[in-house]
Amino acid sequence: AQRVTQPEKLLSVFKGAPVELKCNYSYSGSPELFWYVQYSRQRLQLLLRHISRESIKGFTADLNKGETSFHLKKPFAQEEDSAMYYCALSMRETSGSRLTFGEGTQLTVNP
Amino acid sequence: DVKVTQSSRYLVKRTGEKVFLECVQDMDHENMFWYRQDPGLGLRLIYFSYDVKMKEKGDIPEGYSVSREKKERFSLILESASTNQTSMYLCASSVMKTQYFGPGTRLLVL
Repeated sequence: AQRVTQPEKLLSVFKGAPVELKCNYSYSGSPELFWYVQYSRQRLQLLLRHISRESIKGFTADLNKGETSFHLKKPFAQEEDSAMYYCALSMRETSGSRLTFGEGTQLTVNP
Repeated sequence: DVKVTQSSRYLVKRTGEKVFLECVQDMDHENMFWYRQDPGLGLRLIYFSYDVKMKEKGDIPEGYSVSREKKERFSLILESASTNQTSMYLCASSVMKTQYFGPGTRLLVL
């Protein structure tokens, strides 16, 4: 069975510092990985997906199949990045869009 | 813009009551999902549906059932609410593996 692990429940950095939110997965097939974000009093929304290989709000994430990881990175954190972040996995082999989510990491960027 | 709405933002029910949570999406998505969101546990899938009248169990279906009579509406039913079902419930619909979430219903079972 597939599984997503986010080892840090809480992460606190200062504004301007680099930030990395860790995500590890276990899945024997070919995965698709996503990062979702939930800002305070807002609904959960897609931040980025590994297939797109894009940078959103300065965040990037690279799928490392050897280490089964999909860490989210930003070189200079901003206060508005404070939010709950969830890593999620979809099984490429399935036609549906079921996701398996990690436990989430609450990021706080201090001034 | 995709819109997913949930019938209530906050709900207080008593143990043993039957509870209905409604979710409506306006983008003709085939796939819809119900999750519960708990601190430290992330989002856990309760049920999902990939078509009208179709449903699949997720990871934690016990104590829940669902109904999808129309494409735009997906209902979550707690047959007999218990205190351990106190949680935030999120509905989502999806296209191309991108899920769009509703605002959530915070349910308190006393």
